[in-house]
This record gives sequence, C-alpha cells and structure tokens, in this order.
Amino acid sequence: EVELVESGGGLVQPGGSLRLSCAASGFTFSNYAMNWVRQAPGKGLEWVSSLSGTGAKTYYADSVKDRFTISRDNSKNTVDLQLNNLRPDDAAVYYCAKGGIRLSLLDHWGQGTLVTVSP
Amino acid sequence: DIQMTQSPSTLSASVGDRVTISCRASQSINGYLAWYQQKPGRAPNLLIFRSSSLESGVPSRFSGSASGTEFTLTISSLQPDDFATYYCQQYDSLPTFGGGTKVESK
Repeated sequence: EVELVESGGGLVQPGGSLRLSCAASGFTFSNYAMNWVRQAPGKGLEWVSSLSGTGAKTYYADSVKDRFTISRDNSKNTVDLQLNNLRPDDAAVYYCAKGGIRLSLLDHWGQGTLVTVSP
Repeated sequence: DIQMTQSPSTLSASVGDRVTISCRASQSINGYLAWYQQKPGRAPNLLIFRSSSLESGVPSRFSGSASGTEFTLTISSLQPDDFATYYCQQYDSLPTFGGGTKVESK
C-alpha cells in the first residue's frame, strides 16, 4: 500500500526558510515522479513543484520559482522541498503527491503539513 | 499555462440526486483530465483519470465524460459520503486545477 508522510511544517517569519520532507513507502520510489501541491486556508489546490523519478528534471510554479527547491533521495525514498524567502501568501497546507502513469497525474497524496508565515 | 474553469462553485443537492459538475480547459488537453474528491481536513483523493477511467476502489456511481475541452463528473445517485469538494485537474502538461465545486446538503 502506498503511503506518503510529510513533515517539517511549522511557523516561520516572513523571509525565513523551512524544509519539508516526504517519506514514501509501498512502491518503487525511483520509478515515479513526485510532486508538491499546496492549499491555502479555505482556498483551492495549487501545484507547486515536480521532480522526475531520477531527479534529473525539476519543475516549478512561477509563484515559487527561484525561492523553492525540490530534491529527492532515492536511497531513502524521500522527497524534500526547501522553502526560502517565505512570504505570507506561501502559508498553506503542503501535500506531497506521487505521480502516476504521467508525471502530473497525482494518484496518491500524503496527509499534508501546515506552513504558517507570520511575524 | 492551461486554465481550468470549473462550475458551479457550489452545488446544493439531496441524497439520491443526480449531480453533474463541469470543467472546461482553455486548450486541448488530449483527454488528460482527472477528478479528485476532498473532504474537510483531508487530502484529495483521485476518483477518475483520463477523463472517464475510474480509479480502483471508487464506487461506480461516479463517472466522467469528455467532449473536446469540456469535461463532466457525474454522481448518479448522491450518497451521504459524497458531500465534499471536487476538483478537476489537467495533466497533459504541468498540473493545473479547477477552482473546485463544493457539494453541500440542500
């Protein structure tokens, strides 16, 4: 059974940094792209970043480009999202999601981790 | 970027009703359209992919259809467990989501 468990969320001041992590199990991790999707309080879903199975290709939403960095460790079955220069509008629940038969088909999701950006 | 326009934003219905949610893509997405269900405080859950293919374990009362860039999610007979928010998402390119449809009790 596929399981994704996020960690690393918390309260950070504007301009600060945070590192989110997602531990995966139940599938051959290196065979699948991984994604991060966020949801601001009371709002809809927003794709943030994707990473190919090998880690060679990365993709970012314009809203986070040059501030966030996605990476993975296929030996540990983890995918991380480094959040730098955080802004109040980055506050959200961040979900880790496994890519399916296509990179962007999000077939399994973690429970999410909350990032709060406030002075 | 491909824009996804979902309607209605809110839908009031009763148990047993037939419910239809629409989603329109701003350009061709070659049928790469998924539907997700999200309940409060929970992660989204994949219901349908490739416009009309039912994900394993999803009840057969859920169905999807497509006509060009217009997509529809239908719940044939609404059940108490189906009150939730539904999102469409294109995955022909990097993901974009519709704004969501909240299905609430009438």
